[in-house]
Amino acid sequence: KAGVTQTPRYLIKTRGQQVTLSCSPISGHRSVSWYQQTPGQGLQFLFEYFSETQRNKGNFPGRFSGRQFSNSRSEMNVSTLELGDSALYLCASSYLPGDRYNEQFFGPGTRLTVL
Amino acid sequence: GQQVMQIPQYQHVQEGEDFTTYCNSSTTLSNIQWYKQRPGGHPVFLIQLVKSGEVKKQKRLTFQFGEAKKNSSLHITATQTTDVGTYFCAGPRNTDKLIFGTGTRLQVFP
Repeated sequence: KAGVTQTPRYLIKTRGQQVTLSCSPISGHRSVSWYQQTPGQGLQFLFEYFSETQRNKGNFPGRFSGRQFSNSRSEMNVSTLELGDSALYLCASSYLPGDRYNEQFFGPGTRLTVL
Repeated sequence: GQQVMQIPQYQHVQEGEDFTTYCNSSTTLSNIQWYKQRPGGHPVFLIQLVKSGEVKKQKRLTFQFGEAKKNSSLHITATQTTDVGTYFCAGPRNTDKLIFGTGTRLQVFP
């Protein structure tokens, strides 16, 4: 079974630009969660989608948004990029929602650098 | 809001020494999961604990869930260089999203 895939793996943008990251979950998984990982802040929850609906959202500004398609693939978008948005963005998939006693399968992440 | 703290933040050990990381939540958790992230890699699920006082073992790794279900620990016996990485605990917040702990970075010197 193929794992979670994320594209692109690396991205360099400049301040003010916007970016879209993609995540394809494991086949059959309906839940996709997004996390931002930085050296100083650890793993910060961004949002979770389950069956195309956003279940919950972390404490991030409205510049961060996401969506999920009918095939469970998910995208996250960051508009008006800031230097502080430089981070590793990880997505994780699971069959059930993240809090429902099931493990999260993480993708390799997208390394975003904002110059 | 709910926080999940881990101590220590960093731990350097000599190969063969034991290692323990502790996870503490400000609220009761219905379950707790542990993940390992190797340098340059992504978090990989290790185990899940559900019952109060539960203890599970995976070879040299021993996981415990506290009686009050607010804390957990991961103990590694006789560390090896392959144990290097950051260990995260994670628990659901208010039966809502999964919150990850602050992580403990383990370095093992040969």
